[in-house]
Amino acid sequence: QVQLQESGPGLVKPSQTLSLTCTVSGGSVGSGRYFWSWIRQPAGKGLEWIGDIYSSVSTSYNPSLKSRVTISLDTSRNQFSLKLTSVTAADTAIYYCANAYSGYESWGQGTVVTVSS
Amino acid sequence: DIQLTQSPSTLSASIGDRVTITCRASQAISHWLAWYQQQPGRAPKLLIYEASTLESGVPSRFSGSGSGTEFTLTISSLQPDDFATYYCQQYNTYSSFGQGTKLEIK
Repeated sequence: QVQLQESGPGLVKPSQTLSLTCTVSGGSVGSGRYFWSWIRQPAGKGLEWIGDIYSSVSTSYNPSLKSRVTISLDTSRNQFSLKLTSVTAADTAIYYCANAYSGYESWGQGTVVTVSS
Repeated sequence: DIQLTQSPSTLSASIGDRVTITCRASQAISHWLAWYQQQPGRAPKLLIYEASTLESGVPSRFSGSGSGTEFTLTISSLQPDDFATYYCQQYNTYSSFGQGTKLEIK
């Protein structure tokens, strides 16, 4: 069973870049078996897909966030990362990483990111 | 973008009840739909994928059906752990989630 753990700053200032990392165990991010994904959830609200990466060669992003999002893989560390630029208060949420084959099979516990000065 | 609309948004039911949640897609997505359960303060948990395939370890009282634009999640006999929020998700074109259905104790 793949296990995932998010890490990164819990507080980001408006207009700055949010950077998170997901560390994977029990599977290889470079294996080509899974999509590696980021999903977020504002407090008390629903889930929003941010984007996916597959085997370092293919990324897909939510069209509403595409201009601000970059997802990348680090196979040497078995991690994948999220960068979201020009953040505002609307980006405050719990951020989850997950792996997908058919549906999101395993999820990290989530990390709270607050955008505030 | 493919929009998913779940109904109802809130559902009140009792232990032992049979309940059904519906998810409608704004365009056809074949069978590329998953269902998740989320307990408060926890990450979502995959219940069903490809519209009707039960994830390993998920109790058989959960079932899914549908294809194209209309899908259902059925819980045959509600247990205490089933009171949670449920989301559908499509992965036919990119990915998107329904707005959620909160299942409450009556």
